[in-house]
Amino acid sequence: SQQGEEDPQALSIQEGENATMNCSYKTSINNLQWYRQNSGRGLVHLILIRSNEREKHSGRLRVTLDTSKKSSSLLITASRAADTASYFCATDDQDNYGQNFVFGPGTRLSVLP
Amino acid sequence: GAGVSQSPSNKVTEKGKDVELRCDPISGHTALYWYRQSLGQGLEFLIYFQGNSAPDKSGLPSDRFSAERTGGSVSTLTIQRTQQEDSAVYLCASSSQVTSSYEQYFGPGTRLTVT
Repeated sequence: SQQGEEDPQALSIQEGENATMNCSYKTSINNLQWYRQNSGRGLVHLILIRSNEREKHSGRLRVTLDTSKKSSSLLITASRAADTASYFCATDDQDNYGQNFVFGPGTRLSVLP
Repeated sequence: GAGVSQSPSNKVTEKGKDVELRCDPISGHTALYWYRQSLGQGLEFLIYFQGNSAPDKSGLPSDRFSAERTGGSVSTLTIQRTQQEDSAVYLCASSSQVTSSYEQYFGPGTRLTVT
């Protein structure tokens, strides 16, 4: 069964607006990561949040984690055309620390100039 | 320093042929992962290596798929008797896992097309 699932599947916004993507998962985790993928090739790590953390910031990115709801959100503020990409959340399994990371299907973000 | 590299970047093969995909992780990274991504889809976990051993092979889709890692560095993913449904981008990632850092560094992928 799929561990992480992003929502929405696709998001289109104007440059300068904020973009919010959500991720839900099913089992207990140690950490949750967000990645960006351009052009269907390699992924780039954005941010990692541990299960004992509730919020984390990195530049224009803000990630929240609600372990009671098994969900996370990624907020990109003041979006730019260069933020256009697919965004994936990845979770591990609490019993398999650092091993099998499960990626969701991703959110395709389009930032229009 | 150098990132994760994969070769070839593209591979077109006929159905029934065997293919080998190679991954060179970042030097010193003990963990290595293989994923498969079909067009417009998310990543499908295939296999995980810690050093030379593979504690988790649960993602390999069939016995036509195998992987090895030698010297705790380079890894090879082999697909025997390829089928059209094997067509996908195969991504490799490595991770340090030192100081509990599980950030994965991805290679550019190998796009496999089975005709």
